[in-house]
Amino acid sequence: AQKITQTQPGMFVQEKEAVTLDCTYDTSDPSYGLFWYKQPSSGEMIFLIYQGSYDQQNATEGRYSLNFQKARKSANLVISASQLGDSAMYFCAMREVSQGGGYQKVTFGIGTKLQVIP
Amino acid sequence: DTAVSQTPKYLVTQMGNDKSIKCEQNLGHDTMYWYKQDSKKFLKIMFSYNNKELIINETVPNRFSPKSPDKAHLNLHINSLELGDSAVYFCASSHAPNQPQHFGDGTRLSIL
Repeated sequence: AQKITQTQPGMFVQEKEAVTLDCTYDTSDPSYGLFWYKQPSSGEMIFLIYQGSYDQQNATEGRYSLNFQKARKSANLVISASQLGDSAMYFCAMREVSQGGGYQKVTFGIGTKLQVIP
Repeated sequence: DTAVSQTPKYLVTQMGNDKSIKCEQNLGHDTMYWYKQDSKKFLKIMFSYNNKELIINETVPNRFSPKSPDKAHLNLHINSLELGDSAVYFCASSHAPNQPQHFGDGTRLSIL
């Protein structure tokens, strides 16, 4: 089974509108972390937001928020008030940490290409 | 101030050669990583070091060997380069294995 699933290969959103990028995950570890990264066409990877499995509240960072639904194993990224500069690939990733923190595994999804339309 | 810097940015070489990519971070992080991103943008972790100790070693050919001389550096050496090694290689670092990662700008490796 895939560890991280991003079902939207490409999405369009009108400038100033909000958009949700889907991410579901699969793990049996009780302790894990979920990340979203942005990769513009220039190629660099930019960290956006993090959600720990034990965090009680959904993470928010400026216009980014993470809709964390633990029971459904989903961690969707919501971008509010889209801007032209938001056009990029967006990757969801999961880090699984075993008890004691000695072992870890990091898995990335295949990404969603977001295009913001003026 | 570049937080995670990797050199070179571009590397074009012939099949069979040996090459190295260097990575340095000035964030004081304890954990460093190497990723490979293929032409379809799929990102796969290769190695991770925490305090100079190898903690992730995914299934990669033995031709790839990471070297961490100190916490701030994690270099990647590749022997006998093959066509399939063409990709963008990203170095990253984080405070700890379960913390967000900061990425370098990537090294685009092209094998002729």
